[in-house]
Amino acid sequence: EPEVTQTPSHQVTQMGQEVILRCVPISNHLYFYWYRQILGQKVEFLVSFYNNEISEKSEIFDDQFSVERPDGSNFTLKIRSTKLEDSAMYFCASSDRDITTDTQYFGPGTRLTVL
Amino acid sequence: GENVEQHPSTLSVQEGDSAVIKCTYSDSASNYFPWYKQELGKRPQLIIDIRSNVGEKKDQRIAVTLNKTAKHFSLHITETQPEDSAVYFCAANTNSNTGKLIFGQGTTLQVKP
Repeated sequence: EPEVTQTPSHQVTQMGQEVILRCVPISNHLYFYWYRQILGQKVEFLVSFYNNEISEKSEIFDDQFSVERPDGSNFTLKIRSTKLEDSAMYFCASSDRDITTDTQYFGPGTRLTVL
Repeated sequence: GENVEQHPSTLSVQEGDSAVIKCTYSDSASNYFPWYKQELGKRPQLIIDIRSNVGEKKDQRIAVTLNKTAKHFSLHITETQPEDSAVYFCAANTNSNTGKLIFGQGTTLQVKP
């Protein structure tokens, strides 16, 4: 069964550094998402992406964040200048959003630790 | 604003008993309600979902009920087993039509053998 994959599984970085989190969505999916989960808290929506552009973003997704689909398979989240409070698990999800379901399939996550 | 409230935050049951987790949502345009199970350090896994055109859906020991008028939906797990122990999240989509999901705060379910 196809799955969403993410790399790296764990990223440690210094405050102020740039990080790029990578995701490979399920191959026939067209809708892509990033969520984050601070330890022990709920999953929070960051951004949705369709047809090579952002379709919606949350208040969390400020100018320090950007997303890109650089080729036909990868979907990336970049944080330009990381802050301590960016430490969290970041999940990528994808969906084909056909007429019967909005099912989103989540990747295994990247744990980002900002020191 | 968009919000999903989930209760209880923790739930402990004996193996074989039933477990019920409840959620309420604020956006009356929401029409898709998935439930995810998350084991420690793992990804959220979809276990069941329901759309607003039905009131109940069942898959073996798991069922979900939806009351659109009251804007609440519930997860029912019967004959619980120790491997059901995990954090369960409810979610709802929004009227933005982007597929965005708003999650509840999560319920930690412990099934005691």
